[in-house]
Amino acid sequence: EVVLTQSPVTLSLSPGERATLSCRASQSVDGYLAWYQQKPGQAPRLVIYDASYRGNDIPARFSGSGSGTDFTLTISSLEAEDFAIYYCQQRSNWPPMYTFGQGTKLEIK
Amino acid sequence: EVQLLESGGGLVQSGGSLRLSCAASGFTFSNYVMSWVRQAPGKGLEWVSGISASGGSTDYADSVEGRFTISRDNSMNTLYLQMESLRAEDTALYFCARADIVAANFFDYWGQGILVTVSS
Repeated sequence: EVVLTQSPVTLSLSPGERATLSCRASQSVDGYLAWYQQKPGQAPRLVIYDASYRGNDIPARFSGSGSGTDFTLTISSLEAEDFAIYYCQQRSNWPPMYTFGQGTKLEIK
Repeated sequence: EVQLLESGGGLVQSGGSLRLSCAASGFTFSNYVMSWVRQAPGKGLEWVSGISASGGSTDYADSVEGRFTISRDNSMNTLYLQMESLRAEDTALYFCARADIVAANFFDYWGQGILVTVSS
């Protein structure tokens, strides 16, 4: 079973700063990693899929990179609406299941 | 517009049963793999179960295997989760999620979630 480990657990930054979130997989997931944003009281929202492709209506300040076991979500210049919890996720064929990381809380400093 | 609307949640005693529904609209439901994902209060996301587009193949997390049953009615555009032998640790917000049509590697749309509370 693939385990996804996100770091840091909490990231405190100010609007306008650059955010770098990490997700490490216990074994290679090739390029099939997604990132989600979740705000309090809301459903998760797809931000990045297949490691580097932005979801629908996701601003260009969000970018994803990585392959194999190490992945990064970067927000180039934080806006107030970006402060949320971010989860990475992968799908494995055996056992057939989806796995999420434990989340990184991006909070306003 | 893609919409996923969960229903059927509520308060149930430990050992009890509950059936969740997810009504889908705005897309061709029968073409998509669907899943249930849950989130315990203050915790992260946990995938619970998934079902193929036709309904012929199902998968479960170890934590619910043998107690939960996922199903779908493509004629009604509805996804279900039958939950039996509920435990306190099943208390969570349950989301219905659509997997991407290409390879079902990620979830591109989510419902707003429905709360299930299991009292011990």
